[in-house]
Amino acid sequence: FMLTQPHSVSESPGKTVTISCTRSSGSIASRYVQWYQQRPGSSPTTVIYEDNQRPSGVPDRFSGSIDSSSNSASLTISGLKTEDEADYYCQSYDGSNEYVFGTGTRVTVL
Amino acid sequence: QLQLQESGPGLMKPSETLSLTCTVSGASISSSNNYWGWVRQPPGKGLEWIVNFYYGGNTYYNSSLKSRVNISVDTSKNQFSLKLNSVTAADTAVYYCASLKLGRIWFFDLWGRGTLVTVSS
Repeated sequence: FMLTQPHSVSESPGKTVTISCTRSSGSIASRYVQWYQQRPGSSPTTVIYEDNQRPSGVPDRFSGSIDSSSNSASLTISGLKTEDEADYYCQSYDGSNEYVFGTGTRVTVL
Repeated sequence: QLQLQESGPGLMKPSETLSLTCTVSGASISSSNNYWGWVRQPPGKGLEWIVNFYYGGNTYYNSSLKSRVNISVDTSKNQFSLKLNSVTAADTAVYYCASLKLGRIWFFDLWGRGTLVTVSS
C-alpha cells in the first residue's frame, strides 16, 4: 500500500495547518498511524504515535486524527510557529509488519 | 540516555556490498525491550523503511529490498549492522539507524544522525 501526502502546505505564524495522509489500500483505521517531523539537516523525531498520542515533550499544538470516510489520517498544527517549519511524514504498516512512510509534506511558515 | 551512531563507507562503487554499523549506547541491544531498525533517505527525497528486528526475535523487511538485505548483531560491541548487496546509484542515500518504542505497536522513537552513502562509478 502507499501513503500519499500533499507535497507542501504553507501558512502564517499563529494559524493552523492540517496535513493529510491517504492510504491507498486497506483501512486507515485498522493500523495505527505515526507522524514524524524532520527539520532541515536533522534526523526525524516523533510528534504523533498511534493515531493521536503525543510523546512527552511534544506540545499540544500537535494533534492527530483518523477519518475512515476518506481513508486518511491528519496531522494538525495549531498556533503555528517558525520552529514548526519542517518536513512531516506519516507512517503505518500492514499485516506483515511491513512499515510504509508517506510521501512527505513540506510545511512552510510564511 | 539512549544514543545511536551510524558508521559507513561514504563512497562506494556499483555492484559492491554496502556495510553499515549502528553503535548503541545507553541500552543493551540484546534486551527484549528494545526493537531496532534502519531507514534511508535519498538526497532531497522522502524516507524509505528498510528493516526492523529485535535480538533473538523476528526480523521484518521491506519486501522490495529483502533479497539484498542482511542484518547482524554484535552484542560484545553493542552494535548492529546492515549489509546491502549489489548496490546501484539508486541506493545512494542517508542511512539512519533507529530504536523503536513499544506502545500498542512498535514505532520509531530515536534516530541516529545518519550517514551518507554515495554509490558512483
